[in-house]
Amino acid sequence: NAGVTQTPKFQVLKTGQSMTLQCAQDMNHEYMSWYRQDPGMGLRLIHYSVGAGITDQGEVPNGYNVSRSTTEDFPLRLLSAAPSQTSVYFCASSYSIRGDTEAFFGQGTRLTVV
Amino acid sequence: AQSVAQPEDQVNVAEGNPLTVKCTYSVSGNPYLFWYVQYPNRGLQFLLKYITGDNLVKGSYGFEAEFNKSQTSFHLKKPSALVSDSALYFCAVRDWGSYSSASKIIFGSGTRLSIRP
Repeated sequence: NAGVTQTPKFQVLKTGQSMTLQCAQDMNHEYMSWYRQDPGMGLRLIHYSVGAGITDQGEVPNGYNVSRSTTEDFPLRLLSAAPSQTSVYFCASSYSIRGDTEAFFGQGTRLTVV
Repeated sequence: AQSVAQPEDQVNVAEGNPLTVKCTYSVSGNPYLFWYVQYPNRGLQFLLKYITGDNLVKGSYGFEAEFNKSQTSFHLKKPSALVSDSALYFCAVRDWGSYSSASKIIFGSGTRLSIRP
């Protein structure tokens, strides 16, 4: 089992560029989510999904899109990058959609927008 | 609104001493509570959880946490700290504010634990 795999690990973007952060899990988990981690603010939920074809917004969804065409993959798209999106991004997956099982996290993507 | 608070940004403990990392929560339904640890340049790793049952929960690496309903707290503890316990610790709670069958997990702001030799 690879667990949760995120790519790339590092990325530098120019303001206005778009990109997709990839996330894949091989544990057949229904629940997947994206967080951003900023100093002093902990992890904030961007978007989440409870299964293929079902996504919903978290606390800070503006500027980001997601889709879930398969159980395994949950890509995060930055539509037009802004310096405020400089952050570390984590993808996570859980077996249960009821919030009673632990989350498995990817290694993170460190994104810098200049 | 659902929330979780970690009142201490940093906790400093001497190796061999007991440690406590504090967490308080506010939720409208049954509290599902978690602790995670993050080592430098790594993703978060699960330590332990409280869903129901005994108020004292034991987890990985010798950590335990006590659920206290009256004080709405879920403090993380370890009887004897190790230098290798130095890391960033996050408390998390299930958010019951939206669907009942689909959950969001809210994280605290994190507490940096530093264990000195």
